[in-house]
Amino acid sequence: DTGVSQDPRHKITKRGQNVTFRCDPISEHNRLYWYRQTLGQGPEFLTYFQNEAQLEKSRLLSDRFSAERPKGSFSTLEIQRTEQGDSAMYLCASQLEDQPQHFGDGTRLSIL
Amino acid sequence: AQTVTQSQPEMSVQEAETVTLSCTYDTSENNYYLFWYKQPPSRQMILVIRQEAYKQQNATENRFSVNFQKAAKSFSLKISDSQLGDTAMYFCAFANQAGTALIFGKGTTLSVSS
Repeated sequence: DTGVSQDPRHKITKRGQNVTFRCDPISEHNRLYWYRQTLGQGPEFLTYFQNEAQLEKSRLLSDRFSAERPKGSFSTLEIQRTEQGDSAMYLCASQLEDQPQHFGDGTRLSIL
Repeated sequence: AQTVTQSQPEMSVQEAETVTLSCTYDTSENNYYLFWYKQPPSRQMILVIRQEAYKQQNATENRFSVNFQKAAKSFSLKISDSQLGDTAMYFCAFANQAGTALIFGKGTTLSVSS
């Protein structure tokens, strides 16, 4: 059990650029979640996968955001045409059935 | 829609003392799950304790215990014998089922001093 791994740890980009984050869940965890956390706030749910199927998307997930989980393993979160308001910590969590969610260290996105 | 409220933005405590963090929530569900997560500075969020709503007995994990008041929709966390390593942001979270997204409160920053 190596824990949930997220890459990169920190991403700095210019407004309007596209960015992609990767999450590697704990092996055999069938559920994977993406959350967004802004400074001084609690995480907010973005989207959720069970195996390779994306089962739920928050209204926070605008058309510029897309997430995939090919083959039910790692997941990617892409943000197109980044905006200042996208600056946040993006957290990934994985879960095995009804056990508690395990979180990664997050990817901190800074938009210049 | 479910909501989670943490009314204490910041708390401080001396080493070895006891501190209680408050959390209230709103839901119309009868069965659900409540959690406390700890997020140390620049480190990952880790689970402190979990409570299933159908269980009347309060959950405990070593120095951490909860006071779950279902009728009052209250879920406070008590940390006994506080240690410097307990310094962190603490989040209360709700899930209406075991395999669904968590709804978090805004967090309480706890500082433990020597």
